[in-house]
Amino acid sequence: GENVEQHPSTLSVQEGDSAVIKCTYSDSASNYFPWYKQELGKGPQLIIDIRSNVGEKKDQRIAVTLNKTAKHFSLHITETQPEDSAVYFCAASRSGYSTLTFGKGTMLLVSP
Amino acid sequence: ETGVTQSPTHLIKTRGQQVTLRCSSQSGHNTVSWYQQALGQGPQFIFQYYREEENGRGNFPPRFSGLQFPNYSSELNVNALELDDSALYHCASSFRTSGQETQYFGPGTRLLVL
Repeated sequence: GENVEQHPSTLSVQEGDSAVIKCTYSDSASNYFPWYKQELGKGPQLIIDIRSNVGEKKDQRIAVTLNKTAKHFSLHITETQPEDSAVYFCAASRSGYSTLTFGKGTMLLVSP
Repeated sequence: ETGVTQSPTHLIKTRGQQVTLRCSSQSGHNTVSWYQQALGQGPQFIFQYYREEENGRGNFPPRFSGLQFPNYSSELNVNALELDDSALYHCASSFRTSGQETQYFGPGTRLLVL
């Protein structure tokens, strides 16, 4: 089955800096890669996703890049703000299936 | 807010008991997936229901079972609770189309087994 590795497990940055979280996956048939943000006491919230026919996608301060050859994808957050502090999860799934395989998460702490 | 609701928000059970967790999907969604999230881990897929039929299952024993109702609400039932079942349980709803579905998660039910 699919295996998703996520790094780093924790990331501390100063407000205004950029943050990058990286994930690798094992199943070459995976072609959907969402990123979720989970705040304390809440469920995971989708922040951005990318499909395998696209190499990069941006939404304001958030961007995701995908390298299918190397089987890795990354989340980039620019101009970080304290409210970006949360746990971020990457996930992967195959086309036609809804089973998401998640990474173990990255705790992002943005200091004022 | 995703429009996905879950009840109860938290509960405490003892080993060997049975528990039922409930989920109300986002309006118009016909697919629901359940995930278990242990402390410090990512969500792990339990199973999925589509049009009231189980449509995929993760590596969980048969004592984990589910139901999806015509109004697309659903239940997760766990029998013979074990200490390791203590976790946050999420449901996630989506609308099945010919392409990929985006899953929207509920806030979760925190289960503690003593």
